[in-house]
Amino acid sequence: QQQVKQSPQSLIVQKGGISIINCAYENTAFDYFPWYQQFPGKGPALLIAIRPDVSEKKEGRFTISFNKSAKQFSLHIMDSQPGDSATYFCAARNTGNQFYFGTGTSLTVIP
Amino acid sequence: NAGVTQTPKFQVLKTGQSMTLQCAQDMNHNSMYWYRQDPGMGLRLIYYSASEGTTDKGEVPNGYNVSRLNKREFSLRLESAAPSQTSVYFCASRWGGYNEQFFGPGTRLTVL
Repeated sequence: QQQVKQSPQSLIVQKGGISIINCAYENTAFDYFPWYQQFPGKGPALLIAIRPDVSEKKEGRFTISFNKSAKQFSLHIMDSQPGDSATYFCAARNTGNQFYFGTGTSLTVIP
Repeated sequence: NAGVTQTPKFQVLKTGQSMTLQCAQDMNHNSMYWYRQDPGMGLRLIYYSASEGTTDKGEVPNGYNVSRLNKREFSLRLESAAPSQTSVYFCASRWGGYNEQFFGPGTRLTVL
């Protein structure tokens, strides 16, 4: 049973457009929600993260929106660039410091 | 700093063979993790170690054993490999709290 559900599976965006990836969870014990970026042949790398007491966090072109009551969070990539083409994973951490990942979104940004 | 290193990078096994995947970190992190990544499944936690001498099962521990040899090293052992264990394995480490999790480059394992 997937603890963190992620959509869409793949996404194609024009350069300069906005990329939006959504995640949902059920376990209210999750207390930390990171997003990871992964390039082919590499390990995932932390992109941005949020705690549930904050509704939005922005770092450069990347923004996390968090809706605690709906148990949903999303990643917005503004002014998407071809270099952003990668696979993105949302994740959630439980109080036992174990992380549960979404199934990933393959993003392609067309020049 | 090398960060998180994993050996080997690639491995092919026959069903029933055993092997150990090695992971080491030089960031003095307390916590270390082993994940497997399969197409369409994301990353799934196999085992987790909060500190030297402690280990806990994750989502998919069956068929695996781990050893936290010291603070730097965390190994994953397959005692009798099965084709279902064909995957890319990632080791990760973090300091704790809300600190970032750093991943190694992965080991691509094929079991025939």
